Amino acid sequence: NAGVMQNPRHLVRRRGQEARLRCSPMKGHSHVYWYRQLPEEGLKFMVYLQKENIIDESGMPKERFSAEFPKEGPSILRIQQVVRGDSAAYFCASSPVLAARDYEQYFGPGTRLTVT
Amino acid sequence: AQTVTQSQPEMSVQEAETVTLSCTYDTSESDYYLFWYKQPPSRQMILVIRQEAYKQQNATENRFSVNFQKAAKSFSLKISDSQLGDAAMYFCAYSKASGTYKYIFGTGTRLKVLA
Repeated sequence: NAGVMQNPRHLVRRRGQEARLRCSPMKGHSHVYWYRQLPEEGLKFMVYLQKENIIDESGMPKERFSAEFPKEGPSILRIQQVVRGDSAAYFCASSPVLAARDYEQYFGPGTRLTVT
Repeated sequence: AQTVTQSQPEMSVQEAETVTLSCTYDTSESDYYLFWYKQPPSRQMILVIRQEAYKQQNATENRFSVNFQKAAKSFSLKISDSQLGDAAMYFCAYSKASGTYKYIFGTGTRLKVLA
């Protein structure tokens, strides 16, 4: 059973360009979370999605950032007009069900975004 | 709002010795989960141990154990017989057992293991 997959692993963008980060959850998982880790910091929650629905985007910056999890295909985190401050590691995590007594999120390897 | 605090930015331990990493949290919830994650230089987040708040018994996983003090809102990680491979960043995380189950992470503790 393949784990959570993220691509690309490394992404370099110039200021003003768009960044698209992809996340394929584990098979059978319908809950996807995105977290951002700035250099030398912990992970911060950005957004929680289920198939075709954004459930909680309370951690998303108000502008330039968007996320989707379509019925078919991976979840996408999109950053428009990137700035240097967007340079970070972006992690995706998935989980099968929420109300499980052995609840756990499974993390992907992350995408490291560098804005030059 | 829930918060997680790790007050030790860095810790060192001699190989084969024991080290304890501290974590405190703040919540008004009665049912929640607590986690310790290890992040080696590869940046992969690896679950070390999980504790359900309703369980009185402290979780253990081989050389890793926790001291969960619910009233004090404390959740420390003890690593016994430390190995060179334990060197990494360690993050404490909290999740409500309701709603979105999103994680709230602490700022991390960098653990160095000395040979």
